[in-house]
Amino acid sequence: KAGVTQTPRYLIKTRGQQVTLSCSPISGHRSVSWYQQTPGQGLQFLFEYFSETQRNKGNFPGRFSGRQFSNSRSEMNVSTLELGDSALYLCASSYAGQGNSPLHFGNGTRLTVT
Amino acid sequence: KNEVEQSPQNLTAQEGEFITINCSYSVGISALHWLQQHPGGGIVSLFMLSSGKKKHGRLIATINIQEKHSSLHITASHPRDSAVYICAVRSTSGGGADGLTFGKGTHLIIQP
Repeated sequence: KAGVTQTPRYLIKTRGQQVTLSCSPISGHRSVSWYQQTPGQGLQFLFEYFSETQRNKGNFPGRFSGRQFSNSRSEMNVSTLELGDSALYLCASSYAGQGNSPLHFGNGTRLTVT
Repeated sequence: KNEVEQSPQNLTAQEGEFITINCSYSVGISALHWLQQHPGGGIVSLFMLSSGKKKHGRLIATINIQEKHSSLHITASHPRDSAVYICAVRSTSGGGADGLTFGKGTHLIIQP
């Protein structure tokens, strides 16, 4: 069974640009959640999608958005990039959501904003 | 606001030792996850629990809901257990921002 796939693995962008990250969950999983990891703040929850609906959202500005498609694949978008957005972005899939079933993480996308 | 505290922050031990990592949280929860992160970033889910105790190989996780506390134990530790161990909780407070809250992690090094 294929694991969670995140693309791209690495990304370098300039301040003010926008970026789109992709996450393909394990087959049969309906929930995809996104997280940001930085050395200073550690892991922080961004949002969770379940069957194409945003179920929860963390305390991030509106520049951070996401969506989920009918095949459960998810994308997150960050607009007007800032230097502080440099981080490892991780997604995780699960069958029934963060509080109801184990999480399976992708290897992450490392975003560098210059 | 839900706070998740882990202790110790750093732990160095000799191969074979019994390891305990602690996690305390401040609000009611529906689930607690223990995660393992190796250098390079990959995260593996070790346990998800909401009560009692779970065991998988040399790893044991316990949770005390009344005391808002969980522990992760590693028996017969091995250098390959060296990693960052992260506790994460899902609160029952409701509302829109009801995602996981993470501890800062415990950096574990097992020396041969």
